[in-house]
Amino acid sequence: EPEVTQTPSHQVTQMGQEVILRCVPISNHLYFYWYRQILGQKVEFLVSFYNNEISEKSEIFDDQFSVERPDGSNFTLKIRSTKLEDSAMYFCATATGNTGELFFGEGSRLTVL
Amino acid sequence: AQKVTQAQTEISVVEKEDVTLDCVYETRDTTYYLFWYKQPPSGELVFLIRRNSFDEQNEISGRYSWNFQKSTSSFNFTITASQVVDSAVYFCALNSVKSSGSRLTFGEGTQLTVNP
Repeated sequence: EPEVTQTPSHQVTQMGQEVILRCVPISNHLYFYWYRQILGQKVEFLVSFYNNEISEKSEIFDDQFSVERPDGSNFTLKIRSTKLEDSAMYFCATATGNTGELFFGEGSRLTVL
Repeated sequence: AQKVTQAQTEISVVEKEDVTLDCVYETRDTTYYLFWYKQPPSGELVFLIRRNSFDEQNEISGRYSWNFQKSTSSFNFTITASQVVDSAVYFCALNSVKSSGSRLTFGEGTQLTVNP
């Protein structure tokens, strides 16, 4: 069964460092998303990406965050200068359409020291 | 604005008991989708069900059943004859559909512990 693949599964970084989280979507999917879950809390929407541009972003997704799909396959989330509060599990999700089922990756755990 | 409320933070049951997880939602959209996801201790999000706003039929899948009541804006999830492997955090979510993509709003989650 096709799946969304995320790398790395866990990354530890120092505050102020740049981090790139990668996602390989399911091949025929057109809609891409990043969600975040701080430990013990609910899953929060960060950004949606469609037709090679951001279609919606939340208030969490500030100037420190960026997304791109540089080679037409990988979908990346970059955090330019990490802060302690960026420590969380980051989930990539993809979908064929905009009506519902999102397929989630297994998540990338980011720890900022 | 959309909102999903899961009032039960934690539930603890003994194996074989039935358990119902509550979900109440708020939306101004007439077309929307509701979901349940399971998050086991390993951390991944496992899709359980999607329900659209025009389909109020209840659904049963094995030991799982869902009760969608539009009149009370609720989408409750029942596990019959619970098992230890059902122990997880369960999230209810609401999807706002737009032409350029959709955005899930999650509830706070209910931690279900099934004890042997």
